[in-house]
Amino acid sequence: NAGVTQTPKFRVLKTGQSMTLLCAQDMNHEYMYWYRQDPGMGLRLIHYSVGEGTTAKGEVPDGYNVSRLKKQNFLLGLESAAPSQTSVYFCASSYSLPALAGVEGYEQYFGPGTRLTVT
Amino acid sequence: GIQVEQSPPDLILQEGANSTLRCNFSDSVNNLQWFHQNPWGQLINLFYIPSGTKQNGRLSATTVATERYSLLYISSSQTTDSGVYFCAADDKIIFGKGTRLHILP
Repeated sequence: NAGVTQTPKFRVLKTGQSMTLLCAQDMNHEYMYWYRQDPGMGLRLIHYSVGEGTTAKGEVPDGYNVSRLKKQNFLLGLESAAPSQTSVYFCASSYSLPALAGVEGYEQYFGPGTRLTVT
Repeated sequence: GIQVEQSPPDLILQEGANSTLRCNFSDSVNNLQWFHQNPWGQLINLFYIPSGTKQNGRLSATTVATERYSLLYISSSQTTDSGVYFCAADDKIIFGKGTRLHILP
């Protein structure tokens, strides 16, 4: 099992360019998440998905779009990159949501991150 | 929205020492998680602990939801415990800024 993988690992964009980050998981998880992490900060949730074809906004969704066309993949798009989007992006997946966690608990599995620089 | 604060921001300890990390949250929450980010950036879920106490080896966590705080205990620290420890609260998964722990050999 590869777990959660992210593509690419590094990317440099110029302001105004677009790109898509790919997250893939092989654990058959229903739920997937995109976070960003800025220096000295915790993670902030951008968007998440509760299943194939469904997405929802997190804490900081502006400037990003997402799609979940296949259960195992969750794509994060930047249509017109801005320097403020320079960050490390993490994808995660889980078999449940915090609000739905039962006695079995809840656990997120994270990818290795994508370091994005926008100049 | 909910605010999550962690203390201390930084902690330097000798190998073998014990430590307590604290997470305060500003409103009642249904869930609380602890994570470890190692020096290479990899994130691992440590505990899902909306209330009560859980233990996993040298690590344990306690959440007192009525008083809006959670504690993470690390006993007999090892150098591999170094990194940043985050708590995250609420269904919206709001993270604190973390406690950076450095264990000296």
